[in-house]
Amino acid sequence: QQQVRQSPQSLTVWEGETAILNCSYEDSTFDYFPWYHQFPGESPALLIAIRPVSNKKEDGRFTIFFNKREKKFSLHIADSQPGDSATYFCAASGSNYQLIWGSGTKLIIKP
Amino acid sequence: EAAVTQSPRSKVAVTGGKVTLSCHQTNNHDYMYWYRQDTGHGLRLIHYSYVADSTEKGDIPDGYKASRPSQENFSLILELASLSQTAVYFCASSREGQDTQYFGPGTRLLVL
Repeated sequence: QQQVRQSPQSLTVWEGETAILNCSYEDSTFDYFPWYHQFPGESPALLIAIRPVSNKKEDGRFTIFFNKREKKFSLHIADSQPGDSATYFCAASGSNYQLIWGSGTKLIIKP
Repeated sequence: EAAVTQSPRSKVAVTGGKVTLSCHQTNNHDYMYWYRQDTGHGLRLIHYSYVADSTEKGDIPDGYKASRPSQENFSLILELASLSQTAVYFCASSREGQDTQYFGPGTRLLVL
């Protein structure tokens, strides 16, 4: 069954800390794993994505860690800033290109 | 920059009525998608299209029809709107299947 599970549902961290958001999937044929963020009242926008040729993808303060054996991937946000407060969605897709979305993590960064 | 527009931005419909949501993109993208987002939840794919005059069913197509008359335009039709279809609807486009999806601003639909 195609599902992407995301945790935690909500996360609060202090400014400057590293926020860690987690996702897992079931379909071993999935080969594309993006993270999107959505600010209140806005539409989702791509943040960073990884393909399993690598187990790590970095873009500034944002890093995806990918574990193919355990079918898990996570988003680490280093040096969290109040402006990072948003809802973050992980997703996955395979050969049919349909993105399966996680349920989202509402991230709050406290100054 | 990628541009996806949706109309209307909000709509109140009556149960049993017909609703048409429109999406227009100027990205020259082949793929277009319709999602619904319920409060506090993620996105669920309703219909998508990878070429004009053809549409595909997503995960939750029941109660919805889609139309792709041209590369730029993609519509979502609710023939008989129901209370359970109250949600925010997002249209998106992408150059290829596994590629960045660019979202429109969303349409807030309230069915009474």
